[in-house]
Amino acid sequence: AQKVTQAQTEISVVEKEDVTLDCVYETRDTTYYLFWYKQPPSGELVFLIRRNSFDEQNEISGRYSWNFQKSTSSFNFTITASQVVDSAVYFCALSEAPPASGTYKYIFGTGTRLKVLA
Amino acid sequence: DVKVTQSSRYLVKRTGEKVFLECVQDMDHENMFWYRQDPGLGLRLIYFSYDVKMKEKGDIPEGYSVSREKKERFSLILESASTNQTSMYLCASTLEAGSTDTQYFGPGTRLTVL
Repeated sequence: AQKVTQAQTEISVVEKEDVTLDCVYETRDTTYYLFWYKQPPSGELVFLIRRNSFDEQNEISGRYSWNFQKSTSSFNFTITASQVVDSAVYFCALSEAPPASGTYKYIFGTGTRLKVLA
Repeated sequence: DVKVTQSSRYLVKRTGEKVFLECVQDMDHENMFWYRQDPGLGLRLIYFSYDVKMKEKGDIPEGYSVSREKKERFSLILESASTNQTSMYLCASTLEAGSTDTQYFGPGTRLTVL
């Protein structure tokens, strides 16, 4: 069965520290997609990254980087030199390629609340 | 930019009331979703729709129904609201049916049932 685990419920760091948010997933499919979303205090989930199961290259976007390792079923997210504006809840999500019936869904982790202190 | 809007940011209703939560997207997306978000439980899928008048149950459909009469609008209905339906409700949409596109979310509706 599909499952996404974000074991870190809450993390607090001081501004300018690096922080890594963990995401471990379970799937029996060979074709799947992984996502990270940010939910700031305003409430709206903001898309950060989408990665398919065949692309294990690490991704860097500014202060954000993602490490995808199929061997450990992990898709971890690192923020370098954190800022107060990074304070939010971060969700990892998994979606498999649709089965023959055409239906599919996304599975979200329980989220990690990141607090960056000035 | 894709825009997903929800009819209310905050809503307070009484037990037993019929509640309508509206979601509208402006980018001609095929798929629309309703989730509820509760502390420690993350996002749980209530219903989704991959076409007009089509709907599929998610993980927690009990106590809810949905309506999709037009492509851009997806409504979540609580037939008889109960206190355990107090939650944050999030609507999302994706472009193509049968794909794993990025989901675009609305700002959420925080519903309190008294």
